[in-house]
Amino acid sequence: EPEVTQTPSHQVTQMGQEVILRCVPISNHLYFYWYRQILGQKVEFLVSFYNNEISEKSEIFDDQFSVERPDGSNFTLKIRSTKLEDSAMYFCASAPSGGRASGYTFGSGTRLTVV
Amino acid sequence: QKEVEQNSGPLSVPEGAIASLNCTYSDRGSQSFFWYRQYSGKSPELIMFIYSNGDKEDGRFTAQLNKASQYVSLLIRDSQPSDSATYLCAVRSFSNSGYALNFGKGTSLLVTP
Repeated sequence: EPEVTQTPSHQVTQMGQEVILRCVPISNHLYFYWYRQILGQKVEFLVSFYNNEISEKSEIFDDQFSVERPDGSNFTLKIRSTKLEDSAMYFCASAPSGGRASGYTFGSGTRLTVV
Repeated sequence: QKEVEQNSGPLSVPEGAIASLNCTYSDRGSQSFFWYRQYSGKSPELIMFIYSNGDKEDGRFTAQLNKASQYVSLLIRDSQPSDSATYLCAVRSFSNSGYALNFGKGTSLLVTP
């Protein structure tokens, strides 16, 4: 079964450092997403990406965050200057289409620890 | 603020029983409703979705939607210990141009042998 692949599975970084989280969505999917889940809290939407541009973003997705699809397969989330409160599990997801019937497939996640 | 509310649980049911998980939402513009299962430390897995009022069945799972009451539920028949997980309700609204999902905090289900 096709999978969404995320690397690394765990990243530890110092506060103020830049991190890039990587994702390879399912190959024929067109919609891409980043979500995060702080330990013990709910899954929160960060950003959606379609046709090489951001289609929607949340209040969490401020100027410290950016996304990129540098080639036909990878989808990255960059955090420019990490803060302690950025520590969370970050999930990439992809979907074949938009619309009300489109559920998406999540990757296994990257656990980001900011120290 | 669009809210998705779930009882955090834990909901404990014996093996073979029916587990009933409930979710309410505040945004009347919500169009699609999803149930995900999340094991501890893992990513959410899609169980099923529903967007029309009524019931929708998929194997041991039945989703029920009542838009007038802003209520969606998930029934799990013949519950198994492997069903023990956190169940996340997620809602998509018409206003979400990027098809974002708004998640509830989840209900923890424990199926006891």
